[in-house]
Amino acid sequence: TQLLEQSPQFLSIQEGENLTVYCNSSSVFSSLQWYRQEPGEGPVLLVTVVTGGEVKKLKRLTFQFGDARKDSSLHITAAQPGDTGLYLCAGTGAGSEKLVFGKGTKLTVNP
Amino acid sequence: NAGVTQTPKFQVLKTGQSMTLQCAQDMNHEYMSWYRQDPGMGLRLIHYSVGAGITDQGEVPNGYNVSRSTTEDFPLRLLSAAPSQTSVYFCASSRRAGGPVDTQYFGPGTRLTVL
Repeated sequence: TQLLEQSPQFLSIQEGENLTVYCNSSSVFSSLQWYRQEPGEGPVLLVTVVTGGEVKKLKRLTFQFGDARKDSSLHITAAQPGDTGLYLCAGTGAGSEKLVFGKGTKLTVNP
Repeated sequence: NAGVTQTPKFQVLKTGQSMTLQCAQDMNHEYMSWYRQDPGMGLRLIHYSVGAGITDQGEVPNGYNVSRSTTEDFPLRLLSAAPSQTSVYFCASSRRAGGPVDTQYFGPGTRLTVL
C-alpha cells in the first residue's frame, strides 16, 4: 500500500503570514492532487500535478511536484482567514486505479 | 447537474443493524468510490468501481459491500453495523479510472453513528 505522509498535522498562523505544507512518500506516484475541505463538506480539488518538477500557481497558492515524483508541497503566500480548512494531498501510483489520501493538514488563519 | 448526491445526511444505527448508504451522480462518470473519514486519519478508500458491473476493494473493505448495476448509482451496504464503523462516509466520482487521475467530485457526506 502506498502511503502519503503530510506535515504538519496542524498549523495556526496569523493573517498575512506565509506557510508551506508538505506531502511525502517513499513511493513514486504518477500524479498528485491537492484538495481543500471545509467542515461539513466534501473535499474540493485545488490542483493536479503529473510531471516531476512541475510547479503550478493558483493565485496565492503554489504547488510543486518533486523531481522524483515522491513528494509535493503547497505554499500559501499572505494567508487569509478564508484559507482556513483541511488540506489533503492524494496520489495515484503508476497503473493503479486507487487514489490514496494523506491524513491532512488542518490550517487555521487568525485575523 | 446535481453532481454527486448522498443520502441520508445523518444516520444512527444500533450494533448489528444493516443499512444502505445511497450515492448517485448525474455526470455520466465511469469511476465511483467510497471513502470513510475519521479524525486524524484522512480519507480511506473502502470500495471503488471503474464502470457498471465492476467493483473492487480499497484499503478498508471489511464489513462493507457494494454493487454497480448502473453508471449513475453506487450504494454502500453495511451488513452488520459495528461501533468501529462510526464515521463520515464520502462518495466520489470522476470521468475515468487509471492513469493520471481525473478530478474527483465528492458528495456532501453521510455522518453515521453506530451505538
